[in-house]
Amino acid sequence: QSVLTQTPSASGTPGQRVTISCSGSSSNIGSNTVNWYQQFPGTAPKLLIYYNNQRPSGVPDRFSGSKSGTSASLAISGLQSEDEADYYCAAWDDSLTAGVFGGGTKLTVL
Amino acid sequence: EVQLVESGGGLVQPGGSLRLSCAASGFTFSNYWMSWVRQAPGKGLEWVANIKQDGREKYYVDSVKGRFTISRDNAKNSLYLQVNSLRAEDTAVYYCARGNDYETLDYWGQGTLVTVSS
Repeated sequence: QSVLTQTPSASGTPGQRVTISCSGSSSNIGSNTVNWYQQFPGTAPKLLIYYNNQRPSGVPDRFSGSKSGTSASLAISGLQSEDEADYYCAAWDDSLTAGVFGGGTKLTVL
Repeated sequence: EVQLVESGGGLVQPGGSLRLSCAASGFTFSNYWMSWVRQAPGKGLEWVANIKQDGREKYYVDSVKGRFTISRDNAKNSLYLQVNSLRAEDTAVYYCARGNDYETLDYWGQGTLVTVSS
């Protein structure tokens, strides 16, 4: 299983606000920043949120990130059908001296 | 425009080897950390390895230590992953990614598929 824990699935209706959580430990999220990646089927992942809450240029402000202690969250407001994708959290782990990903959350827009 | 193009994947027997390559363009390659991330069919992302700008620092996930070697040639704007002693569980799409720092992967290639099977 993954070092970072994500719920496998999430869903919402258009316009709704959805939150995806990511749980870690003191050696990863607790001591390093969290990044979030979005992946559509058959395509490469894309950086969505970096340094806990920063958006790369071009990412809509509907996407936001936060971190508290050893957990992090990705929030998507004003949910749209095109947001249906897999979302992964990631961080550096100081004990493993390696990067670690969450298992991913499949977001379905109903 | 930042471009990362992987190559070198294919079908290989258990115990075999491959050398994956990633050709970078559109940015000053020598200024960035670079990483490899893999994704087994139908599974999630797994970080594999990264390498510092000058190649002097390298880190690996435990499952590939001693079998995989990451390297780079800044003169050729290229990243490599030598994969040896391959196992069925190494079957995956291998992505090359640019590191905004050692952990933040801001650009990704399209991936190259490695299939380990007899």
